[in-house]
Amino acid sequence: GDSVTQMEGPVTLSEEACLTINCTYTATGYPSLFWYVQYPGEGLQLLLKATKADDKGSNKGFEATYRKETTSFHLEKGSVQVSDSAVYFCAQTSNDYKLSFGAGTTVTVRA
Amino acid sequence: GAGVSQSPSNKVTEKGKDVELRCDPISGHTALYWYRQSLGQGLEFLIYFQGNSAPDKSGLPSDRFSAERTGGSVSTLTIQRTQQEDSAVYLCASTLQPGLNEKLFFGSGTQLSVL
Repeated sequence: GDSVTQMEGPVTLSEEACLTINCTYTATGYPSLFWYVQYPGEGLQLLLKATKADDKGSNKGFEATYRKETTSFHLEKGSVQVSDSAVYFCAQTSNDYKLSFGAGTTVTVRA
Repeated sequence: GAGVSQSPSNKVTEKGKDVELRCDPISGHTALYWYRQSLGQGLEFLIYFQGNSAPDKSGLPSDRFSAERTGGSVSTLTIQRTQQEDSAVYLCASTLQPGLNEKLFFGSGTQLSVL
């Protein structure tokens, strides 16, 4: 079945460092791709999405590009802040309504 | 309320007991999902409700798990004869439209611990 594989954590980095979280998907067809974020004590929320090949999703300084040739959707941010500390989940659509999620990557940013 | 509400936020139970977890979706959202988040694993799809259509129960791990959605709003996830492997965070999400270009709104979850 469809599945998402993302980089294992935890990831710890200093403020203003660059962050990349790798995500690859396996699916037939053309799934939509998402990054969700879970801040401490809060529910998951959508960070960004891309619905077709070569689309770039962006929000809060984060970016991810839908790469069909490498089946990837890596999340990047050029300069992280302490407030970016969270768990990040990559996800893809499996059908018209179902999302398949990766295992999540815990990111801690130190001042 | 403004968001998806789940209760209780934490539940500790003994092996073999039944538990009920509640989800209040955002008003007007027709689609409702239950997911399970186990330690070190991704979110596991459990069940999906959409309006008056038959639910997609394909993710329920065993017949000890069941869910209802009354009046197209509140949903209850019931786990009978709980086992230790049922310990996890149970997440509920809702969305206005079933198409997944619409984002899911998640609750904060119920942390279930089976002793």
